[in-house]
Amino acid sequence: KAGVTQTPRYLIKTRGQQVTLSCSPISGHRSVSWYQQTPGQGLQFLFEYFSETQRNKGNFPGRFSGRQFSNSRSEMNVSTLELGDSALYLCASSLEGLGITEAFFGQGTRLTVV
Amino acid sequence: AQSVAQPEDQVNVAEGNPLTVKCTYSVSGNPYLFWYVQYPNRGLQFLLKYITGDNLVKGSYGFEAEFNKSQTSFHLKKPSALVSDSALYFCAVRAQGGKLIFGQGTELSVKP
Repeated sequence: KAGVTQTPRYLIKTRGQQVTLSCSPISGHRSVSWYQQTPGQGLQFLFEYFSETQRNKGNFPGRFSGRQFSNSRSEMNVSTLELGDSALYLCASSLEGLGITEAFFGQGTRLTVV
Repeated sequence: AQSVAQPEDQVNVAEGNPLTVKCTYSVSGNPYLFWYVQYPNRGLQFLLKYITGDNLVKGSYGFEAEFNKSQTSFHLKKPSALVSDSALYFCAVRAQGGKLIFGQGTELSVKP
């Protein structure tokens, strides 16, 4: 079966701009979670969506937002980009949730803010 | 607060030798524990999980992990390391609400 697809793979944006990242989960998976990965901070949880509802949220500012569509595809948006937002953004899908069932991660979107 | 710690940034082993990647956790209640591996330029891949039952959990690619409640540890092990095992390994614990909290990661390097 097809894996988790994240688009785009690479992105370069200018400080102050906004960006939208997309994640298509494995068919049948209702949970989509987003993580930010940086060398200094490791994997930081952003949020989780389950059946179109945000079920969990991490400690990120309001500039970071997301949503999930009826087909379980998810998008995350970052507004007013800062240099510190440069990171690998990973999306993970699972049947019931990362802490319950096995999670499948996408390859990530590498965002560079200049 | 729930947390997970991986005390070693890097582990070096020779091919064919046993390997251990350490993980300790702090969580209220019964822990749900996971190990994931990340190869360069790839997302994370699930290795194994402990929910309940036997303290020794077997996972993918010959890896296993030992749950020790008294020491609050969940160390990842493999009897004989391969060069292809070289990667970044993450331990994770289920936190309140169901989200996963990951450790900082341990870079495993297996030399021929």
